[in-house]
Amino acid sequence: DAGVTQSPTHLIKTRGQQVTLRCSPKSGHDTVSWYQQALGQGPQFIFQYYEEEERQRGNFPDRFSGHQYPNYSSELNVNALLLGDSALYLCASSLQGRLETQYFGPGTRLLVL
Amino acid sequence: AQSVTQPDIHITVSEGASLELRCNYSYGATPYLFWYVQSPGQGLQLLLKYFSGDTLVQGIKGFEAEFKRSQSSFNLRKPSVHWSDAAEYFCAVGALRGKLIFGQGTELSVKP
Repeated sequence: DAGVTQSPTHLIKTRGQQVTLRCSPKSGHDTVSWYQQALGQGPQFIFQYYEEEERQRGNFPDRFSGHQYPNYSSELNVNALLLGDSALYLCASSLQGRLETQYFGPGTRLLVL
Repeated sequence: AQSVTQPDIHITVSEGASLELRCNYSYGATPYLFWYVQSPGQGLQLLLKYFSGDTLVQGIKGFEAEFKRSQSSFNLRKPSVHWSDAAEYFCAVGALRGKLIFGQGTELSVKP
């Protein structure tokens, strides 16, 4: 049983560009949450998707958007990249009825130059 | 406001010594509390969680944590640290609908 997978593992972009990160949840899970972890910090909640809709959102600008597909996989899109967007982006999956138990993927390391 | 504080940014212990990592939370309701571990370049692995009931919870890798409501604390302990325990440790509180609020993390170094 594959756990949570994320792609790519590493990414380098320049300021102003756009980026798309991908996440496949653990088998059977229907809810995906995204977190941003800046260097030396704890992860911060970006948003959560369930039934292809954004269900709740953290304190992130509209440059951060997402999508969930019918197979529950999800994408995180960031537009107009800033240097401060450099971080490890973590995806977590769970079951809607068991949101307290989340499984994290290995993350995507994004570097913005 | 909901928050988690980990007062120690970096702790160094000798291999075989005991370990306690501190965590204080601020949350209005009865909290769900978690400890995660992160090795360099890796995602987060759940060590243990507290939802209700017995305030002393056991986790993987020989870790345990004690929930103290009066002190708003959920400290992580291990009686004997191994070199492989060197990592970053995060305390988190589970907010509404599964959102996790993390502390800043404590980096653990283990001396041989």
